[in-house]
Amino acid sequence: DAMVIQNPRYQVTQFGKPVTLSCSQTLNHNVMYWYQQKSSQAPKLLFHYYDKDFNNEADTPDNFQSRRPNTSFCFLDIRSPGLGDAAMYLCATSSGWTGEGKKTQYFGPGTRLLVL
Amino acid sequence: GDSVTQMEGPVTLSEEAFLTINCTYTATGYPSLFWYVQYPGEGLQLLLKATKADDKGSNKGFEATYRKETTSFHLEKGSVQVSDSAVYFCALSDSAKRGGADGLTFGKGTHLIIQP
Repeated sequence: DAMVIQNPRYQVTQFGKPVTLSCSQTLNHNVMYWYQQKSSQAPKLLFHYYDKDFNNEADTPDNFQSRRPNTSFCFLDIRSPGLGDAAMYLCATSSGWTGEGKKTQYFGPGTRLLVL
Repeated sequence: GDSVTQMEGPVTLSEEAFLTINCTYTATGYPSLFWYVQYPGEGLQLLLKATKADDKGSNKGFEATYRKETTSFHLEKGSVQVSDSAVYFCALSDSAKRGGADGLTFGKGTHLIIQP
């Protein structure tokens, strides 16, 4: 019963070549998040969608963009990947503010990005 | 701003030993608190959570109690197993932030190694 699905699990791209990572969810959650996790570090929030409202973190580089065409899918686009963008990218979902279930985030397995 | 502080790792224990991983936090509002576990090469899995003071979260033999007076959420387990070897992240979600949908603030993670 996969709930948050990320494809692919591993992605190799070339320096400067645009790449898209995908995330889908079967939970019908309002909120979808993208985190970047570099080796041996904590996940860092890049941005999130609350329904169709896009919320960018202040320190997220312009090189990172996101699209959410419908409730189930969310994409992370890296326009010109640099070597420093090699990381694990984690997608998460939540139902937002709903009583006891408020703000619990459910994570996908992640996509590990390698930039050559 | 919000922050989470965890004890540094790696933490190495023998099987059946008692485990404590310390976690303290600072937050603007009244946060919800979480422990997530990450196995090698995988995404984050929610281990347990607590949403108000004196709540105890528990799962798979792990426990943590939300202590508002000491701003702590220490993770404990009475008898660890080799399969508990992983990285453990303490995290908070701050109720003072808008909309109930903001990202989690994570600690740096504690790498736990259990030896047979």
